[in-house]
Amino acid sequence: DTGVSQDPRHKITKRGQNVTFRCDPISEHNRLYWYRQTLGQGPEFLTYFQNEAQLEKSRLLSDRFSAERPKGSFSTLEIQRTEQGDSAMYLCASSSHTWDSHNTGELFFGEGSRLTVL
Amino acid sequence: LAKTTQPISMDSYEGQEVNITCSHNNIATNDYITWYQQFPSQGPRFIIQGYKTKVTNEVASLFIPADRKSSTLSLPRVSLSDTAVYYCLVAITGGFKTIFGAGTRLFVKA
Repeated sequence: DTGVSQDPRHKITKRGQNVTFRCDPISEHNRLYWYRQTLGQGPEFLTYFQNEAQLEKSRLLSDRFSAERPKGSFSTLEIQRTEQGDSAMYLCASSSHTWDSHNTGELFFGEGSRLTVL
Repeated sequence: LAKTTQPISMDSYEGQEVNITCSHNNIATNDYITWYQQFPSQGPRFIIQGYKTKVTNEVASLFIPADRKSSTLSLPRVSLSDTAVYYCLVAITGGFKTIFGAGTRLFVKA
């Protein structure tokens, strides 16, 4: 399967612990996105990378959240000092570059990493 | 930012055509309209994208009137497996923040 891969699929942690999620995008895609989704809501944009550069970052991404994409390949999303409100599905998506900034093109999503903070 | 408005939920029966309308009154001139489908515990999946008039692919059609202030996703002959949440999105001018609304929950009954 050459789709977007996320790991781990499920993570249960205690409040105050740090967690890290990994996303492996489709190999030829230079754009990578992170979203957070809570039950009954649509995905909320967190951050966007074009290659290794983090070009957009939501205000939702507090100083406890950090994302990286070294060498423009896989990406990691780290949450420090987790809180119960961080419990959600964390989704990664990738897409290929298009010349038109009005058209994000087709986003290919992974199956998500579900975080439960006790 | 172009905000989208969709019905919260819709019910249908197998074999019927389903039309889900999305309002995007302040869509920018060059913005595209995109629809995604999401099943429980899975990431959203791209269905269709368009700019104006009508677009059709193997799973759906997208109708966009001339003023582009709304769009309608049409699913022909739905089956039980089409039960999902459907999101309408409008590209954000000048950036890449793809904003999802709450979506429309479609329930297909036998």
